[in-house]
Amino acid sequence: ETGVTQTPRHLVMGMTNKKSLKCEQHLGHNAMYWYKQSAKKPLELMFVYSLEERVENNSVPSRFSPECPNSSHLFLHLHTLQPEDSALYLCASSQERTGGFNYGYTFGSGTRLTVV
Amino acid sequence: TQLLEQSPQFLSIQEGENLTVYCNSSSVFSSLQWYRQEPGEGPVLLVTVVTGGEVKKLKRLTFQFGDARKDSSLHITAAQPGDTGLYLCAVVNQAGTALIFGKGTTLSVSS
Repeated sequence: ETGVTQTPRHLVMGMTNKKSLKCEQHLGHNAMYWYKQSAKKPLELMFVYSLEERVENNSVPSRFSPECPNSSHLFLHLHTLQPEDSALYLCASSQERTGGFNYGYTFGSGTRLTVV
Repeated sequence: TQLLEQSPQFLSIQEGENLTVYCNSSSVFSSLQWYRQEPGEGPVLLVTVVTGGEVKKLKRLTFQFGDARKDSSLHITAAQPGDTGLYLCAVVNQAGTALIFGKGTTLSVSS
């Protein structure tokens, strides 16, 4: 498989559930990202991993917990979510910026999350 | 705070028409990217512009980076239904760690 693959594509969970979102890339990229996309808002950066180390946690509530076990895989663990957390969660990967050059991101198709 | 203002927010046109969408900011950027997102999918990179005044063409799409590197425009000639989607501009955040995005322009092209 090529590109960035996200599973599941759709997820409905109760506020007391625990679930995980998975992202996998086979592009040889060394940086991975989680974004949240809600209606009428810009994509919100959640977490950044570079060479498997978390380099940014953009003031995300602790009910979201990322994990990057290796450079090809990224997880977002979810627990005790709120209805306002319902959104499209997008994973992306890229080569890490070098010499000031900004490489493009490759996004997955996203996980549409509904919290009930 | 870096803010990217995109306009218009929505655009609905007929096949064959021309259109321009804009991405503006008060900050100066070293580069700027445009992405297109189709319903149910993630954004896909269209182009990266780097030099002030730069113009890049991708088939019927023409991208321009402002001379002062604070703004950019995307012009589509003879729009087709396949151009329908959300057009997003993006720049690197102040920390240099990741991209930040504008809210986007939702384009609908009907035949």
